[in-house]
Amino acid sequence: DAMVIQNPRYQVTQFGKPVTLSCSQTLNHNVMYWYQQKSSQAPKLLFHYYDKDFNNEADTPDNFQSRRPNTSFCFLDIRSPGLGDAAMYLCATSRASTDTQYFGPGTRLTVL
Amino acid sequence: AQSVSQHNHHVILSEAASLELGCNYSYGGTVNLFWYVQYPGQHLQLLLKYFSGDPLVKGIKGFEAEFIKSKFSFNLRKPSVQWSDTAEYFCAVKKVDSSYKLIFGSGTRLLVRP
Repeated sequence: DAMVIQNPRYQVTQFGKPVTLSCSQTLNHNVMYWYQQKSSQAPKLLFHYYDKDFNNEADTPDNFQSRRPNTSFCFLDIRSPGLGDAAMYLCATSRASTDTQYFGPGTRLTVL
Repeated sequence: AQSVSQHNHHVILSEAASLELGCNYSYGGTVNLFWYVQYPGQHLQLLLKYFSGDPLVKGIKGFEAEFIKSKFSFNLRKPSVQWSDTAEYFCAVKKVDSSYKLIFGSGTRLLVRP
């Protein structure tokens, strides 16, 4: 089945230690998104790629970066995780801006 | 700023009860509207969506939602819930412009007692 895959499902890192989260998709969608969802809160868009074009939300901290080496893969890099970055990170894809977004299972990040 | 409000954070129902979850948004322009569901331990899944046309939309598993433009609302309904409907439900709104951004509500946790 076509899907959005996130690895790992659970990630533990130390305060200040860089961490990378991975997302891949078999849907061949143009757009890939990263959302942050803290406990009992709504998912919040961090940034998205339309093909190779990167679009950062204005309030996304500089600590968060992303890479999309090809259509299928997208990475979220957190350069120096703080305790406040502990959250569920959701990857999503869509064909275009007008289309439905399809979500992966998320990676739960714990910062010690 | 655009926002989405879900009025009920926690709802507890018995099986066969009727469900209505409220969703209101603040943006005055043309929008696309979505309800997503997240079953325990699973990812967000699309329940239903409204882009245009008939304001009463039907989704999977017997859910429906009605878009009332004058009230900026997109409430989710199901006439008779089942234990398997226990999940968290998120309303989301996207402006119909060049923006890719989905604005989510804070979610409603539904517990259906058998």
